[in-house]
Amino acid sequence: QQQVKQSPQSLIVQKGGISIINCAYENTAFDYFPWYQQFPGKGPALLIAIRPDVSEKKEGRFTISFNKSAKQFSLHIMDSQPGDSATYFCAASITGNQFYFGTGTSLTVIP
Amino acid sequence: DAGVIQSPRHEVTEMGQEVTLRCKPISGHDYLFWYRQTMMRGLELLIYFNNNVPIDDSGMPEDRFSAKMPNASFSTLKIQPSEPRDSAVYFCASSDRVNTEAFFGQGTRLTVV
Repeated sequence: QQQVKQSPQSLIVQKGGISIINCAYENTAFDYFPWYQQFPGKGPALLIAIRPDVSEKKEGRFTISFNKSAKQFSLHIMDSQPGDSATYFCAASITGNQFYFGTGTSLTVIP
Repeated sequence: DAGVIQSPRHEVTEMGQEVTLRCKPISGHDYLFWYRQTMMRGLELLIYFNNNVPIDDSGMPEDRFSAKMPNASFSTLKIQPSEPRDSAVYFCASSDRVNTEAFFGQGTRLTVV
């Protein structure tokens, strides 16, 4: 059973546009929700993370929106750039335990 | 710290051979994870350790797969015998319980022919 469901599978955005990736989870015990960015040939790297006590976290052009009641969270990339082209994974975990990853979203930003 | 170090970066082996993947976690991290990544299944957790002790190996696909962590600075994932369907990128990651961020290595791309 997929603990974290991610959509869309792929996304194409024009340079300067907003990229939005969505994730949903079932386990209300999850208390840590990171987003990872992976470039070809590299391992995933933490991009931004949020805990359920806040509804939004912003770091530069990247924002996580968190809806605890709907059990959903999303990544927004503002002013998307070609360098943002990568695969993005959402994840969820209970602190100190295993991470459950979404299936990934391949983002392509067209110049 | 150099981050999580995996070796080898690439491995090509013949079906039936034994394959050993190696991982050095970040010093001080007490959680170590082994993941497998394929196009079809994404990132799958195979096994994870806490303080060198295996906590959950339910993701290990078959008895052909085994993992050990003899000390805090070294872990291995062994496949014996290997099969073509084992071809994937295998990632090792480590985390600090307090921080919870998982740091990934560069991965080992395994090809079984």
